Amino acid sequence: DVKVTQSSRYLVKRTGEKVFLECVQDMDHENMFWYRQDPGLGLRLIYFSYDVKMKEKGDIPEGYSVSREKKERFSLILESASTNQTSMYLCASSFGDRSGANVLTFGAGSRLTVL
Amino acid sequence: GQNIDQPTEMTATEGAIVQINCTYQTSGFNGLFWYQQHAGEAPTFLSYNVLDGLEEKGRFSSFLSRSKGYSYLLLKELQMKDSASYLCAVSNSNYQLIWGAGTKLIIKP
Repeated sequence: DVKVTQSSRYLVKRTGEKVFLECVQDMDHENMFWYRQDPGLGLRLIYFSYDVKMKEKGDIPEGYSVSREKKERFSLILESASTNQTSMYLCASSFGDRSGANVLTFGAGSRLTVL
Repeated sequence: GQNIDQPTEMTATEGAIVQINCTYQTSGFNGLFWYQQHAGEAPTFLSYNVLDGLEEKGRFSSFLSRSKGYSYLLLKELQMKDSASYLCAVSNSNYQLIWGAGTKLIIKP
């Protein structure tokens, strides 16, 4: 069964801490994405990557960075966590070319609480 | 701006039919997706429409009218396991996905 795995389902961090959210996919997908999901809002794209070592900013990149050293792994980094980054974080991946038909496969999410 | 509108919550009865609407205004159009998300779980792909008309897939159907900026997801013979949130997303001219906030569907026995 193909899978996108997010390392932590629940995290509680303090303001100012550095936070790493890890995502691994086993489908050999080229594209990987990080979204955040908040009540009453649609998914918002933080960063995405179309290839190893590539990264592109999404709609809300401020306060976040990413790393993609290997094709299967895409990490989201909060350099200094703040309370407004409390959210559900969803990683997703998809095949190849940037066509409209690319179906996303999502991980189960990482719920981050920043105190 | 770009936006996707869908109802926040709907309630339906087991065995019945429900239609979840989605209207969109985006810069260009390269297809519309429906995803299902059970509470605490990953969204999973349900359907993709890029041409006008109805796509049927078992108990679920999805309809698209590009001229009206409108889609709906039709769920027949509702089962309790259909209780979930349904997310509508549009791929715009840059192949970026614009997401609606989701419709929470509650199924009652």
